[in-house]
Amino acid sequence: DVKVTQSSRYLVKRTGEKVFLECVQDMDHENMFWYRQDPGLGLRLIYFSYDVKMKEKGDIPEGYSVSREKKERFSLILESASTNQTSMYLCASSPHGQGARYGYTFGSGTRLTVV
Amino acid sequence: DQQVKQNSPSLSVQEGRISILNCDYTNSMFDYFLWYKKYPAEGPTFLISISSIKDKNEDGRFTVFLNKSAKHLSLHIVPSQPGDSAVYFCAATPPTSGTYKYIFGTGTRLKVLA
Repeated sequence: DVKVTQSSRYLVKRTGEKVFLECVQDMDHENMFWYRQDPGLGLRLIYFSYDVKMKEKGDIPEGYSVSREKKERFSLILESASTNQTSMYLCASSPHGQGARYGYTFGSGTRLTVV
Repeated sequence: DQQVKQNSPSLSVQEGRISILNCDYTNSMFDYFLWYKKYPAEGPTFLISISSIKDKNEDGRFTVFLNKSAKHLSLHIVPSQPGDSAVYFCAATPPTSGTYKYIFGTGTRLKVLA
């Protein structure tokens, strides 16, 4: 069964900490995405990557950065965590050119709380 | 600027009846539309999609209808089952090549009552 695995289900971090959220996929997908889900706001795209070492900003990139050193791994970095970054973070992947019809494969999410 | 809107945050339906979830969009250039289902503490799972050149797509109990003139999308679930209780997101993608960046709606929480 194909999988997108997010390393942590729940995280609690302090304001100002540097936070790493890890995502690994085993489907050899080119595209990987980071979204956050908030009540009443749906899923909003933070960053995405269409190839190793390639990245593009999504709709809400402020306060975040990403790293993709290997095809299967896409990391989201909160440079200095703030309370307004408390959210559910979802990683997803899709193959190049097929994502529109067949959708993304999502991980189970990381619930991050910044205190 | 919300390009994909789900105006009903919640919906309750009796088991066995039809569930209709609605979605409106503003960009007539959207290429594909998709529906996702999300259970608590899990990631969204892909349900069904429809191309902008079609007006209907069916998969078992799930049918998606697209009305391009009204910029309206709906998901019909017949018959509804208690296991269908979840949050449903509609999503749309613009006609870009390669990387498809979906724009999601805010979600509708469906509760199917036994």
